[in-house]
Amino acid sequence: DIQMTQSPSTLSASIGDRVTITCRASQDVSRWVAWYQQKPGRAPKLLIYKASTLEYGVPSRFSGSGYGTEFTFTISSLQPDDFATYYCQQYNIFRTFGQGTKVEIK
Amino acid sequence: DVHLVESGGDLVQPGGSLRLSCAASGFTFSDYSMNWVRQAPGKEPEWVAYMSARINTITYADSVRGRFTISRDNARRSLYLQMSRLRVEDTAVYYCARGEGSPDFWGQGTLVTVSS
Repeated sequence: DIQMTQSPSTLSASIGDRVTITCRASQDVSRWVAWYQQKPGRAPKLLIYKASTLEYGVPSRFSGSGYGTEFTFTISSLQPDDFATYYCQQYNIFRTFGQGTKVEIK
Repeated sequence: DVHLVESGGDLVQPGGSLRLSCAASGFTFSDYSMNWVRQAPGKEPEWVAYMSARINTITYADSVRGRFTISRDNARRSLYLQMSRLRVEDTAVYYCARGEGSPDFWGQGTLVTVSS
């Protein structure tokens, strides 16, 4: 199974901060990585797919990059609505999720 | 608008069975692959099962293969998950989700609790 190791597990930040989350795959997954946002009691929401493609309707402050085994997710200027948990997911072979990063108010 | 509504979650004893349903609306259901994804309390999501639009490809996570069966009825715009030989570790919110590798729409989930 492909493991997705996400870091950090928790991140404290302020409104307007630039936030970066990394995800490392245990083997090459090409560009087959997605990023999701999840708020308590809600389903995950797709933000980015194919490593860097923004889902329709998602604000441009969200971005993703990477290839192979190293991937990065960035929020360029943190907004109040962005406090949530974020997950990476590979879909090169089956599908596996990272452990999540909780973005908290500093 | 796209809507996915899961139902069928319940409290069941270990070794028991349960059938989950997902009713789809707002899109051409027969054109899309569908998935079941679960999330145990405080844990990351875990993909459970996948079925292609034309029902020619089905895959399962190792943790459920042989115990769970995914199916769909395109005429009824519905997705199903038959779960048998349930274990305590199957306790989770179960979501149906639309699409291939990176599902773009998810239902609100239905809670399955396996406990004696």
